[in-house]
Amino acid sequence: DVKVTQSSRYLVKRTGEKVFLECVQDMDHENMFWYRQDPGLGLRLIYFSYDVKMKEKGDIPEGYSVSREKKERFSLILESASTNQTSMYLCASTLTRGGNQPQHFGDGTRLSIL
Amino acid sequence: GESVGLHLPTLSVQEGDNSIINCAYSNSASDYFIWYKQESGKGPQFIIDIRSNMDKRQGQRVTVLLNKTVKHLSLQIAATQPGDSAVYFCAEKLTGSARQLTFGSGTQLTVLP
Repeated sequence: DVKVTQSSRYLVKRTGEKVFLECVQDMDHENMFWYRQDPGLGLRLIYFSYDVKMKEKGDIPEGYSVSREKKERFSLILESASTNQTSMYLCASTLTRGGNQPQHFGDGTRLSIL
Repeated sequence: GESVGLHLPTLSVQEGDNSIINCAYSNSASDYFIWYKQESGKGPQFIIDIRSNMDKRQGQRVTVLLNKTVKHLSLQIAATQPGDSAVYFCAEKLTGSARQLTFGSGTQLTVLP
């Protein structure tokens, strides 16, 4: 089975801090994704990456950046955390860039910005 | 982007009954659809998928139906069990899309004893 691991289940940070969320997958997947999930809004795509050092903006990239230095690891960075970034963050991966295939998700990081 | 919606935000069923969760999608160019289950405190878990060249696909206790004419997707769960209580949401993929999936907001299924 695919294993997508997010480093923290719960995280509490302060406004203005730089925050790093880490995600690792163990199945040599090419594509990785970061979403945030808010009540009533569903999953919204922040950034995704289809290869090492490659990234593309999703629907809501403002206030976020990403890093993919190794194939198995995809990091989400909040440059200067704000309270409106309090949310559940979900990482996902797929084997290849194209084709029809489901995304495999980690269990999420619930981030609170105080 | 295109949105994927659900007819009902909550659904309660008796244990042992069948459940039907519905989803409307708006983009006729979508060619792939997925149902996910999300239990409290966990990430979404893949249940079943279907390609646009199919009308029906069955899994273990689950069936997905696709009606392209009215752009409607449904998930049927047979003999619903307490462990089926979760949020269910559908996702669609546009043909050739690199970002792959657009997700609906979900339906909370509650199984009553």
